[in-house]
Amino acid sequence: SQQGEEDPQALSIQEGENATMNCSYKTSINNLQWYRQNSGRGLVHLILIRSNEREKHSGRLRVTLDTSKKSSSLLITASRAADTASYFCATAALNLYSGAGSYQLTFGKGTKLSVIP
Amino acid sequence: DTEVTQTPKHLVMGMTNKKSLKCEQHMGHRAMYWYKQKAKKPPELMFVYSYEKLSINESVPSRFSPECPNSSLLNLHLHALQPEDSALYLCASGPVPGRVVRETQYFGPGTRLLVL
Repeated sequence: SQQGEEDPQALSIQEGENATMNCSYKTSINNLQWYRQNSGRGLVHLILIRSNEREKHSGRLRVTLDTSKKSSSLLITASRAADTASYFCATAALNLYSGAGSYQLTFGKGTKLSVIP
Repeated sequence: DTEVTQTPKHLVMGMTNKKSLKCEQHMGHRAMYWYKQKAKKPPELMFVYSYEKLSINESVPSRFSPECPNSSLLNLHLHALQPEDSALYLCASGPVPGRVVRETQYFGPGTRLLVL
């Protein structure tokens, strides 16, 4: 089932502007991650924020997490044409079923970002 | 090596065919995943293997049969698929709980499947 809901579904900006994408989720999480996907390709992990963290930075990326509102935002500063892609948030929950377990990711619907040169 | 490889990149098959998708990683990850992604939709989890044992099957039809022959390989066997099964199939790997530095998953480029 899909848990994360991204907002907006599509975003078009000029190169150099900032892009903000939001994500809401419903259940408790271990962490929340943001992934990027270029057209029809595999996903690339961008940044992870743990449930006890409120803000995290990585280069031009800034992620915030509000567990009381069950929401997160991804800010890309000084956008470039190469940032054009779909961005997905994914909530990670620990799955201990069947022994060793795994981390189960549930993806949101994604935001399609277009950066116009 | 932080790469997950998938073969083939593209696959066209008829509804009576049997084919297999392959995934390989050499990062020492003991959790491996199959996802299905339809156009303009997010990835949906199909199967999870943990230490080469199937730990999650998200109510996937039996025409999809996963296999994990060893800690580096993951297969998805396909038989009697339907046109609606056409999608991008993504493989991912990641650490298991307790051996974690980062709980991220590493994705392969996917196999784009078309069922005629």
